[in-house]
Amino acid sequence: NAGVTQTPKFHILKTGQSMTLQCAQDMNHGYLSWYRQDPGMGLRRIHYSVAAGITDKGEVPDGYNVSRSNTEDFPLRLESAAPSQTSVYFCASTLRLPYEQYFGPGTRLTVT
Amino acid sequence: SQKIEQNSEALNIQEGKTATLTCNYTNYSPAYLQWYRQDPGRGPVFLLLIRENEKEKRKERLKVTFDTTLKQSLFHITASQPADSATYLCALWMDSSYKLIFGSGTRLLVRP
Repeated sequence: NAGVTQTPKFHILKTGQSMTLQCAQDMNHGYLSWYRQDPGMGLRRIHYSVAAGITDKGEVPDGYNVSRSNTEDFPLRLESAAPSQTSVYFCASTLRLPYEQYFGPGTRLTVT
Repeated sequence: SQKIEQNSEALNIQEGKTATLTCNYTNYSPAYLQWYRQDPGRGPVFLLLIRENEKEKRKERLKVTFDTTLKQSLFHITASQPADSATYLCALWMDSSYKLIFGSGTRLLVRP
C-alpha cells in the first residue's frame, strides 16, 4: 500500500493562476481532509469529505474548492491563487475521526 | 478566546533522559487528544490517542497524560534517543463541533 500520496511535491504559481493539488489514498478510508501548515501555526483544516460525493468546509475554506467523485481521490483546487495561499498543504485520511489520521508527504506551494 | 498552546521554544535534552512536552488548552472541551510526530519536510505521523476519561496512555517508550481539570496533556519520551528529534504536535478533538484543532508543535532535539 502506498498510503496517502500527493502531487506535486513543490510548485510555484503566479498570482491569479489556478491549479489543482492531487491527493489519493489506497487504504479504503472514507474520511479525507486537506490541511495547510504555516510557520508558527497549527495545521488548519481547509475542506474535508466523509465519503464519495460528500464534502464540507473546514475552518479556512476561502479560496479553495474540492470534489470527491470516488473513495480514492480528493483534489484541492485553487481557482485564482493569492500570495496568502503560500503554504505547505497536507492531505490526510482516516477511517473516521477522531482516530488516527494518515498524512501524505505534503505539497509546498509558493504564490508569487 | 480559544487557544491551544505548545512551547514554541525547542526542547534540548541529553540522550537517555526523559523528554516531557506540554500541550495546554483554553476554552475547549476535547473528548480526545492526539499526539503526532513530524520530521522536517514530511507529513505528521500519528503516535497516540487518549480519551477524556483516561488519565494515562502508554506505548513503548511513550507516555501521554490528559488532565481535563488542568486542561493539559503531557507527552513523555523515556530513554530518549537522537532519532527522537522531531517536532511533536498535539491535536484536540471536539465531539460537539466535529473539529480537530492542532497546536503549532514543539521541536525536540536529543543530543548524543
